[in-house]
Amino acid sequence: QKEVEQNSGPLSVPEGAIASLNCTYSDRGSQSFFWYRQYSGKSPELIMFIYSNGDKEDGRFTAQLNKASQYVSLLIRDSQPSDSATYLCAVDSASKIIFGSGTRLSIRP
Amino acid sequence: SAVISQKPSRDICQRGTSLTIQCQVDSQVTMMFWYRQQPGQSLTLIATANQGSEATYESGFVIDKFPISRPNLTFSTLTVSNMSPEDSSIYLCSVEGHANYGYTFGSGTRLTVV
Repeated sequence: QKEVEQNSGPLSVPEGAIASLNCTYSDRGSQSFFWYRQYSGKSPELIMFIYSNGDKEDGRFTAQLNKASQYVSLLIRDSQPSDSATYLCAVDSASKIIFGSGTRLSIRP
Repeated sequence: SAVISQKPSRDICQRGTSLTIQCQVDSQVTMMFWYRQQPGQSLTLIATANQGSEATYESGFVIDKFPISRPNLTFSTLTVSNMSPEDSSIYLCSVEGHANYGYTFGSGTRLTVV
């Protein structure tokens, strides 16, 4: 079982709609959870982090964490073409960050 | 968050040679991390570098192949030794952000081995 699992996609969402990205993790001791955005040919960029169960909102982005289910999600509201990228879920485990394989998101005009 | 300067940004190397990648951080950090991202794949941690001690390597990575230096709290190097085409990848250094605010990445080194 992979430590951090994501659906590789591609996930195609119409412009203006909500994009929903999901991630599960295996280490119940994990305390910190991150979402990174990576454009093709660029390095990952942190867009959200969450430590507590529940929702955390930042602009058009909402991260959701459910530690009991070992589940993290990212919602992107009012999706824009510029949101087209690969989204990487990352989880802390034993003092290091483990990345999922990423979900490729495509926003269609 | 910290600003990381990584170089070279890209290189094409002959098999059997070695390449050293440098990362300079604009602030002192305890740990630096080296990742590899193979084409179309996610990031795999190679090793964690602490100043003043040996780097800690992840399973599948060894010091002879990927020697790391960490001479001070703002600088680290990763060497890819005796390269083969399978080493063609993007290599990224990373540091932990302030107050555990995620990890910041350097711009990456795109390595092609021919």
